[in-house]
Amino acid sequence: EPEVTQTPSHQVTQMGQEVILRCVPISNHLYFYWYRQILGQKVEFLVSFYNNEISEKSEIFDDQFSVERPDGSNFTLKIRSTKLEDSAMYFCASSESGTGMAFFGQGTRLTVV
Amino acid sequence: AQTVTQSQPEMSVQEAETVTLSCTYDTSESDYYLFWYKQPPSRQMILVIRQEAYKQQNATENRFSVNFQKAAKSFSLKISDSQLGDAAMYFCAYRINYGGSQGNLIFGKGTKLSVKP
Repeated sequence: EPEVTQTPSHQVTQMGQEVILRCVPISNHLYFYWYRQILGQKVEFLVSFYNNEISEKSEIFDDQFSVERPDGSNFTLKIRSTKLEDSAMYFCASSESGTGMAFFGQGTRLTVV
Repeated sequence: AQTVTQSQPEMSVQEAETVTLSCTYDTSESDYYLFWYKQPPSRQMILVIRQEAYKQQNATENRFSVNFQKAAKSFSLKISDSQLGDAAMYFCAYRINYGGSQGNLIFGKGTKLSVKP
């Protein structure tokens, strides 16, 4: 069964460093998303991406965040200068057009120290 | 603004019994999707079931079924014949349907389900 793959599964970084979280969406999907979940809290939408551009973003997705689809398969989330409060589980998801069904990756646990 | 509310932070069920998890939502839209996601201790998000708002028939997936009450904006999840592997955090989620375009998922705070042997 096709699945969304995220790497790494766990990333530890020092405050102020840049991190790139990687995702390989399901191959025939056209819409891509990043969500985050701070420990013990609900899952929050960060950004959605379609046709090589951001289509929607939340207030959490400020200038320190960026997304990119560098090639035909990868979808990345970059955090430019990490802060302690960026520590969270980051989920990538993808969906086909119009089905309403988003499939999530297994998540990347980001720890900022 | 759309919101999703799960009023039960924790629930417990005996193995082989049935449990119902509650979810209510607020929206002024008429065309949307509702979902239940399961998050086991591994923290992966697993889609359990989905419901399209324009379908009156309640969705079912094996032991999982929903009670969708559109007028009441209620979307509960029933788990029948509960198994130990059902123990997890369950999130209710809403997504507007832009008629083929994307929309982001709005999640509730989750219900932690424990299954007693």
